[in-house]
Amino acid sequence: AQRVTQPEKLLSVFKGAPVELKCNYSYSGSPELFWYVQYSRQRLQLLLRHISRESIKGFTADLNKGETSFHLKKPFAQEEDSAMYYCALTVYSGGGADGLTFGKGTHLIIQP
Amino acid sequence: GAVVSQHPSWVICKSGTSVKIECRSLDFQATTMFWYRQFPKQSLMLMATSNEGSKATYEQGVEKDKFLINHASLTLSTLTVTSAHPEDSSFYICSARRWDREREGRWETQYFGPGTRLLVL
Repeated sequence: AQRVTQPEKLLSVFKGAPVELKCNYSYSGSPELFWYVQYSRQRLQLLLRHISRESIKGFTADLNKGETSFHLKKPFAQEEDSAMYYCALTVYSGGGADGLTFGKGTHLIIQP
Repeated sequence: GAVVSQHPSWVICKSGTSVKIECRSLDFQATTMFWYRQFPKQSLMLMATSNEGSKATYEQGVEKDKFLINHASLTLSTLTVTSAHPEDSSFYICSARRWDREREGRWETQYFGPGTRLLVL
């Protein structure tokens, strides 16, 4: 069975400082990794996925298969980045992508 | 595009009653939808996979007779909590799966509904 671990429940940084949200996973095959974000009173939305290698809102994440990690980074935090961030994993079975396995989430607070 | 709605947004019911929650994909068709449950201060846990026109697939530990799922059309899945008890009180979230074409390829994305908060008294 797959597992996603986010070791930090809460991360507080000052505006303009670098941010790194940690995510480690365990799965014997080749999963697809995601970061989802949930802003206050809003629904969960996709931030980025490892396959696309895009930078969204200044965030990047690199899949490190050796360390089974998918840490989320941003060089300069902005106040609007304050939100709940979830790392998630899926695997593909015959019918397409399976449901997501989520980490427990990290609450990111950007202080002015 | 890719909007998913849920109805109701919150519901309070008495113990022993059944509650139906709807999940709709408003602007796309979804052969597959997922149901998640989130307890306070915890993460989302996958409950079941809802497939249009066929039986749902439940995760280990989820009672299929308690959480009835029906995916009768390509835009609607329903979750019915039967004989609800206080321990079923939770936040129920659905998602719908859609193929998206992005700059670097074509992938499946899950789009989430806003969730339904259930309180069983």
